[in-house]
Amino acid sequence: DAGVTQSPTHLIKTRGQQVTLRCSPISGHKSVSWYQQVLGQGPQFIFQYYEKEERGRGNFPDRFSARQFPNYSSELNVNALLLGDSALYLCASSLAADSYEQYFGPGTRLTVT
Amino acid sequence: SQQGEEDPQALSIQEGENATMNCSYKTSINNLQWYRQNSGRGLVHLILIRSNEREKHSGRLRVTLDTSKKSSSLLITASRAADTASYFCATAPRYNNAGNMLTFGGGTRLMVKP
Repeated sequence: DAGVTQSPTHLIKTRGQQVTLRCSPISGHKSVSWYQQVLGQGPQFIFQYYEKEERGRGNFPDRFSARQFPNYSSELNVNALLLGDSALYLCASSLAADSYEQYFGPGTRLTVT
Repeated sequence: SQQGEEDPQALSIQEGENATMNCSYKTSINNLQWYRQNSGRGLVHLILIRSNEREKHSGRLRVTLDTSKKSSSLLITASRAADTASYFCATAPRYNNAGNMLTFGGGTRLMVKP
C-alpha cells in the first residue's frame, strides 16, 4: 500500500510569492495534518483537517491556509512568503480525527529567497 | 512553541553500544510518542506510550514514562549504524479539542559509528 505522498519534493520561491503544497493520505485515512519543520528544530503543528473541516489550527499567521478535498487529499497554501517560511513541510495522515498514530509523508522542502 | 525538550541534543556512540535519549514536557498528556527522522525527511513512528503506562518495549526499543516528573526516555539497545538519525518525542495533550495535534521536542541527533 502506498504511504502518504507529498508534492513537490523541493520548491524554491521568492519573497512575496505564494505557494501551494499537496498531500495525499494513506488510502482509508480521513484526517490530514500539516507541520512545519525549520532546520534544526522539531516539527510544529499548523493545521488538521478531517472530513473536509478544520479540526485544529496552530499558532501560525493568516498567510497560512489549507483545505481538504472529498478524496481526503489536502493542500497547504502560504501567501506573501517570508524568508522565515523556509522549512520542510510535513503532511501526516491518520484514520480519524482523534487517532494519535500518525503517518508522515516525506515532506516538501521549501526555500524562500 | 515546542513543549518538549530533549537531552542530549546530540549523541555519538559506537555500534553495539546502547543509546539513551530523554524528553521532558510541560503539560498533562494523553500519550507520548517517539519518532525517527533520517536526513531531514519524513518522520517514522517508533512507539506510543499512554499516560497510564510506565514502560513499553518494541524490539530493541525501550520507552519509559514518568508523568510525575513529566519526562520520558528512549533506550535503543545494541545500536547499529542504521540507527543514525534524529529522534523526536511528541506529546498529545490530555484535554484537547483540536483533534490529534502533536507537540514535538527539539530532537536528539544520534550518530552510531561502525
